[in-house]
Amino acid sequence: TQLLEQSPQFLSIQEGENLTVYCNSSSVFSSLQWYRQEPGEGPVLLVTVVTGGEVKKLKRLTFQFGDARKDSSLHITAAQTGDTGLYLCAGAEGGNQFYFGTGTSLTVIP
Amino acid sequence: KAGVTQTPRYLIKTRGQQVTLSCSPISGHRSVSWYQQTPGQGLQFLFEYFSETQRNKGNFPGRFSGRQFSNSRSEMNVSTLELGDSALYLCASREGQGDEQYFGPGTRLTVT
Repeated sequence: TQLLEQSPQFLSIQEGENLTVYCNSSSVFSSLQWYRQEPGEGPVLLVTVVTGGEVKKLKRLTFQFGDARKDSSLHITAAQTGDTGLYLCAGAEGGNQFYFGTGTSLTVIP
Repeated sequence: KAGVTQTPRYLIKTRGQQVTLSCSPISGHRSVSWYQQTPGQGLQFLFEYFSETQRNKGNFPGRFSGRQFSNSRSEMNVSTLELGDSALYLCASREGQGDEQYFGPGTRLTVT
């Protein structure tokens, strides 16, 4: 089983603050995806990173894939209430099966 | 393109019954994967179908089964329901191997 650990599990911050969510594994993945999920809905794909050391920016969100392709981080700058949700990372093994992380529940307080 | 659709959105069943959930993938996507999501276990992979054939299978008992039709629509069936089967069941579609997957809104199953 390819286990992906996310930290922190829960995060509650004030609007305007910055935060970083981590996704770690002992396994190497061919690619890694980040999703945000809102209550009662399916996860929505935010980004896919495929190259070790890759950094992708999506407005206020910055995603990084570790050099060894075993870990990733998501950094949010100046968090907004609309960023509230469950953040999930998922590692792909040869593009075939996806293994999901344990999730980080983010609450941004106005 | 329309997104992934799942029916029904909500379902309440009694222990021992069986249930069938349906998933229609994005047009042109031939792969459909099913996941179970619970607060305690997170998102767990059930199985994946590609061109009507099961390509991958997670670690779930045989009570969980699925199939895919020639139009790529997929169904999953759970027989002899248990209380622990209460969960959000998600399906995700993608064009083929190695592509990004897109999720449907899920079916919330409650077993009483």
